[in-house]
Amino acid sequence: ETGVTQTPRHLVMGMTNKKSLKCEQHLGHNAMYWYKQSAKKPLELMFVYNFKEQTENNSVPSRFSPECPNSSHLFLHLHTLQPEDSALYLCASSQALLHLRGNIQYFGAGTRLSVL
Amino acid sequence: GQQLNQSPQSMFIQEGEDVSMNCTSSSIFNTWLWYKQDPGEGPVLLIALYKAGELTSNGRLTAQFGITRKDSFLNISASIPSDVGIYFCAGPYLNYGGATNKLIFGTGTLLAVQP
Repeated sequence: ETGVTQTPRHLVMGMTNKKSLKCEQHLGHNAMYWYKQSAKKPLELMFVYNFKEQTENNSVPSRFSPECPNSSHLFLHLHTLQPEDSALYLCASSQALLHLRGNIQYFGAGTRLSVL
Repeated sequence: GQQLNQSPQSMFIQEGEDVSMNCTSSSIFNTWLWYKQDPGEGPVLLIALYKAGELTSNGRLTAQFGITRKDSFLNISASIPSDVGIYFCAGPYLNYGGATNKLIFGTGTLLAVQP
């Protein structure tokens, strides 16, 4: 148990569906992240939130819409996805930058998304 | 830009063997992190390194922060079947203000252990 919980663990959706992924962290962190992990590719950072404010959008298509209502919760709203969006979506949290060293990110177990 | 290259890409070993993998970059890092990802799960932190030359152990795992600050190594001694997974190195993206909370991940080393 890493302290970061993602739901659902598995999701199958059609291209016309709308669904949401949820992430919750119990570590007292104030930065949260969404990553996409496709087969045989490095982890791709999608979004970064610091203190509920989005500070990074890594050229992610608008069919992915993040929401961070508070420092403990992060959502990824999905609509009109494509089959190539099928991947493992990982949420992570950390302390926001407070010093020169990088902060350790703690990951959830991920949501395995299949788009048909 | 900052990139991390891991090698080898994959390893297939017998139980009991020692394993070595490394991570290199053309850029300097001030922190090195090693994560392990089990199949169908998220990455879990194994070891964090903060100082050039630092050698840190976590059970059968030992990692070192390279003196040049451009590389790091992870060794696993006496491997067991549950060591199977993908091992990632990672380091913070640096800008002129110092480290950021963006992590750069290596491409991963897939480890398979045959009993």
